[in-house]
Amino acid sequence: KAGVTQTPRYLIKTRGQQVTLSCSPISGHRSVSWYQQTPGQGLQFLFEYFSETQRNKGNFPGRFSGRQFSNSRSEMNVSTLELGDSALYLCASSLEDRGGQETQYFGPGTRLLVL
Amino acid sequence: AQSVTQLGSHVSVSEGALVLLRCNYSSSVPPYLFWYVQYPNQGLQLLLKYTTGATLVKGINGFEAEFKKSETSFHLTKPSAHMSDAAEYFCAVSGDAGKSTFGDGTTLTVKP
Repeated sequence: KAGVTQTPRYLIKTRGQQVTLSCSPISGHRSVSWYQQTPGQGLQFLFEYFSETQRNKGNFPGRFSGRQFSNSRSEMNVSTLELGDSALYLCASSLEDRGGQETQYFGPGTRLLVL
Repeated sequence: AQSVTQLGSHVSVSEGALVLLRCNYSSSVPPYLFWYVQYPNQGLQLLLKYTTGATLVKGINGFEAEFKKSETSFHLTKPSAHMSDAAEYFCAVSGDAGKSTFGDGTTLTVKP
């Protein structure tokens, strides 16, 4: 079974631009979560989508948004990029266990550099 | 609410020595606990997980971890370190649906 895939793997943007990142989950997984990883802040939860609905959201500004399609693929969008948005963006998919607890499988990430 | 504390941001061991990476957690519901490894410029790879049942969990690459509810700990061990084990290791807890909380990570260095 193929793993989680993320595109693009690397991206360079300038301040003020916007960016869209894509994530394809493991086949059959309906939950997709996004995380931001930076040296200073570590791994931080952005949001989670389940069956095309945002189910959970972290403490990020409204410039960060996402969506999920009917095939469970997800996109994350960041508008008006800032230098501090430079990070590794990780996507994880999961097959929800009973009780809502999950095992997440991560993609390789998209490394975004904002100049 | 849930949180994870990894004790020691850097751990250094000699090749062949015991590896011990410490993780303590808090969770308001019975937790699922995970250890992930991240090699440079790569994503996270699941090493092992505890869900229910046996408290000693064996993972890939010879790693294992023991869930101790009374100590709220989930320490990661490997009897004999190998050079290829050098990486960053993250402990995580999942209790709130759809959200994993990660520790700050521990960088493992293996000396020849």
